[in-house]
Amino acid sequence: GAGVSQTPSNKVTEKGKYVELRCDPISGHTALYWYRQSLGQGPEFLIYFQGTGAADDSGLPNDRFFAVRPEGSVSTLKIQRTERGDSAVYLCASSLTGLRVDTQYFGPGTRLTVL
Amino acid sequence: RKEVEQDPGPFNVPEGATVAFNCTYSNSASQSFFWYRQDCRKEPKLLMSVYSSGNEDGRFTAQLNRASQYISLLIRDSKLSDSATYLCVVNPTGTASKLTFGTGTRLQVTL
Repeated sequence: GAGVSQTPSNKVTEKGKYVELRCDPISGHTALYWYRQSLGQGPEFLIYFQGTGAADDSGLPNDRFFAVRPEGSVSTLKIQRTERGDSAVYLCASSLTGLRVDTQYFGPGTRLTVL
Repeated sequence: RKEVEQDPGPFNVPEGATVAFNCTYSNSASQSFFWYRQDCRKEPKLLMSVYSSGNEDGRFTAQLNRASQYISLLIRDSKLSDSATYLCVVNPTGTASKLTFGTGTRLQVTL
C-alpha cells in the first residue's frame, strides 16, 4: 500500500518568506508526527497529532512554526518569516494509533533551503 | 548531556565482518527502544525494536542494559547492503510516542 508522502520534495525560499510543507499519512493512521533533521544529526521531534488535535507540540522551536491537521488526515507544517537556520529536512511520520509500541513510518521528507 | 548518545563513526568494515554499535541514553525511566536504519538522503526505517531480554532478527542482534542505560546492535556477516547510518532511538516515558534519536552511527561495508 501507499506509504507516507510529503510535498514538495525540495523547497528553496528566501529569508523572511512563508512556507507550507504538506504530509499525507498512511491511510487509517490516527497519529502523525513532524520531525526536523539537520545535517549530521538525528531527527528532532517537533509536534505530534492524535486525530485533529496537537497532543504534544513541545518540540516546535518558536512561534514561527505552526502545524495543523484539520480533518485528521493530511497535515501542513507552516513556517513564517523563515530564517537560514530553518534549513533542514522536515520529516513526517504516521503510526496506527499513537501508542508507544506502534511503529512510526516516515515519509521521504521535504528538504527546505532558506537562502 | 544529550538524551541519546552514539559514536558517529564512520565504521569501515570488510564484507563478512561482525560489527557492534553502542548507544547510551540519559533518561533512566525510558521504556521503549529501537534501532532505525537510514540510507543516504532517505527516510529512517525501523530496523528492530529492542527488548530487555535481547532479540535477534537474522544477522542482527539487539540488546538492552537498563542498569547501565545502554543499547547495542550487533551485525554479523556484514553485507555491502548494510552500509547505512544506524540511529539509536528512545521513547521517553510519559510521552505517548515522541521518539528521541541519537545522531546515528555510519557504517561502510567494503569488499
